[in-house]
Amino acid sequence: AQRVTQPEKLLSVFKGAPVELKCNYSYSGSPELFWYVQYSRQRLQLLLRHISRESIKGFTADLNKGETSFHLKKPFAQEEDSAMYYCALTSGNQFYFGTGTSLTVIP
Amino acid sequence: EAQVTQNPRYLITVTGKKLTVTCSQNMNHEYMSWYRQDPGLGLRQIYYSMNVEVTDKGDVPEGYKVSRKEKRNFPLILESPSPNQTSLYFCASSLDAGATRLGPQYFGPGTRLTVT
Repeated sequence: AQRVTQPEKLLSVFKGAPVELKCNYSYSGSPELFWYVQYSRQRLQLLLRHISRESIKGFTADLNKGETSFHLKKPFAQEEDSAMYYCALTSGNQFYFGTGTSLTVIP
Repeated sequence: EAQVTQNPRYLITVTGKKLTVTCSQNMNHEYMSWYRQDPGLGLRQIYYSMNVEVTDKGDVPEGYKVSRKEKRNFPLILESPSPNQTSLYFCASSLDAGATRLGPQYFGPGTRLTVT
């Protein structure tokens, strides 16, 4: 069963515009959710963890249990934000990743 | 420097020729895992290990083996590779394991495998 859904494969925004990358999940318990980012030719790295409620590089993500969503947001996109973004969930001892959204920030 | 390393980074092989991709971490993490990344499919977990001598299947374990004889190492073994195993492979490790929730994972640089 699909546990993490990222509906947008590609997303383009202009520099300075707000950006939102969508993530929906299916999980019956209390989920542990993450956002990972993969810049060109680099390894995946953790961007956000919902339990820490931090803002990293201007990105935030709020867990909405009613809508089962964990969308990633940034009010003003920068060119360096262009990357592949993955939403992930832990269930038991396993990790489940979405299919990813490729974000392009247009100068 | 705390990191996860993988070797080799690139590998081209032929169908049926056994190969091993090594993974090592220096962070004393209990949890280690292997993923494959394919276009349009994202990352899919192959195998994971909660600790030494404890391994379990992920979502796509067919055609792969792993071992965890030491805490720092978690090699991925393809006994008889086939072309459908051509992919980008990532190893990852995480601190939390056991009764606590899994923590964030730290990823290796990836191994690009081509099976002809």
